[in-house]
Amino acid sequence: NAGVMQNPRHLVRRRGQEARLRCSPMKGHSHVYWYRQLPEEGLKFMVYLQKENIIDESGMPKERFSAEFPKEGPSILRIQQVVRGDSAAYFCASSGTTDNQPQHFGDGTRLSIL
Amino acid sequence: QKEVEQDPGPLSVPEGAIVSLNCTYSNSAFQYFMWYRQYSRKGPELLMYTYSSGNKEDGRFTAQVDKSSKYISLFIRDSQPSDSATYLCAIYGSNFGNEKLTFGTGTRLTIIP
Repeated sequence: NAGVMQNPRHLVRRRGQEARLRCSPMKGHSHVYWYRQLPEEGLKFMVYLQKENIIDESGMPKERFSAEFPKEGPSILRIQQVVRGDSAAYFCASSGTTDNQPQHFGDGTRLSIL
Repeated sequence: QKEVEQDPGPLSVPEGAIVSLNCTYSNSAFQYFMWYRQYSRKGPELLMYTYSSGNKEDGRFTAQVDKSSKYISLFIRDSQPSDSATYLCAIYGSNFGNEKLTFGTGTRLTIIP
């Protein structure tokens, strides 16, 4: 399967714990985007990364949330000290290296906070 | 005003009918328009990707863009039960590279056999 791979598919955390969501882009893609989908709402942009660089983090909450896309390995979205309001589906998308390529999505990680 | 407005539905039509899904947007800088289909518990799947005003056809699907009215549509001909899903419009504007997508809230479509 050469698609965008996200894991875990489901993640349960207690309030105050840390959540780490992983995303491996499609083969040949070097642009990664994270989106959050709350119940009955559309997808909201969080952050756009290229290898070792954050390009646009205008949608990231100012506290507790961080993202990285290291030279080797998957992109990681990290949420520290989770709260109930962090419960959502988090989707990763990737696109190719040339300009204006469409984004292809993974099947998401569903985060539940107890 | 939201940047992208989309009727959330739900929309139910009989099998074989023509379906029309629509979005409006407010920022004339947007230049790239996409339609995604999302099945329950799955990620969005790219259906159509257009740049210019006019129509683009792919099988039973036709995407239509009217930049003067800031209005985009997706038509589904000969609708099938397997078309039952949530349809999301997405747009972005840059001439300068890749950037974030702005999504509508999605329209939930059910095709009745």
